[in-house]
Amino acid sequence: DTAVSQTPKYLVTQMGNDKSIKCEQNLGHDTMYWYKQDSKKFLKIMFSYNNKELIINETVPNRFSPKSPDKAHLNLHINSLELGDSAVYFCASTPTGRGMDEQYFGPGTRLTVT
Amino acid sequence: AQSVAQPEDQVNVAEGNPLTVKCTYSVSGNPYLFWYVQYPNRGLQFLLKYITGDNLVKGSYGFEAEFNKSQTSFHLKKPSALVSDSALYFCAVSIYGQNFVFGPGTRLSVLP
Repeated sequence: DTAVSQTPKYLVTQMGNDKSIKCEQNLGHDTMYWYKQDSKKFLKIMFSYNNKELIINETVPNRFSPKSPDKAHLNLHINSLELGDSAVYFCASTPTGRGMDEQYFGPGTRLTVT
Repeated sequence: AQSVAQPEDQVNVAEGNPLTVKCTYSVSGNPYLFWYVQYPNRGLQFLLKYITGDNLVKGSYGFEAEFNKSQTSFHLKKPSALVSDSALYFCAVSIYGQNFVFGPGTRLSVLP
């Protein structure tokens, strides 16, 4: 009964390809997030969705497009992959978007672009 | 804009000794403060948070943290470190209605 799950766990692909990462939470939370963790372990928010509505879109290239079919799912689609996109991508969720709730993180998706 | 600093990249401590992992923050408003732990090849796990009230908060696995408004700090502490505490620790801050900002992380090594 994983609270926040991501698929795939590992993704190896070539430059220029398009790929998607899926995230699902079974906690009934309203808000979901995508984070990127680089090779130095810095964690940076990419997107925040509240009940299927985009709330925050940080300075992320428009090659990255999040999609939320319902409030339990937040997928990340990446077009024209570049070497610099190699990182670990984490999905997370919180009950609300008010900033006072702890986040529940998925296990991460390690993306390697060759 | 919110920011978080963790001044130590690495903290080494002997098993059984007390540990401290430091965090300072900068926000315009009342902060919500969090500590998370990340084990290798895993997602972040929540340890504890300060929202309001008592400045000393207790969390999972025997960890605690003290909110100090005048020093804008939220240091993580544990009275007696275990080898299994070795991991990467992240401090995070948010304010009401805003997103979370994470610190750069501190790697804790507990030596047997």
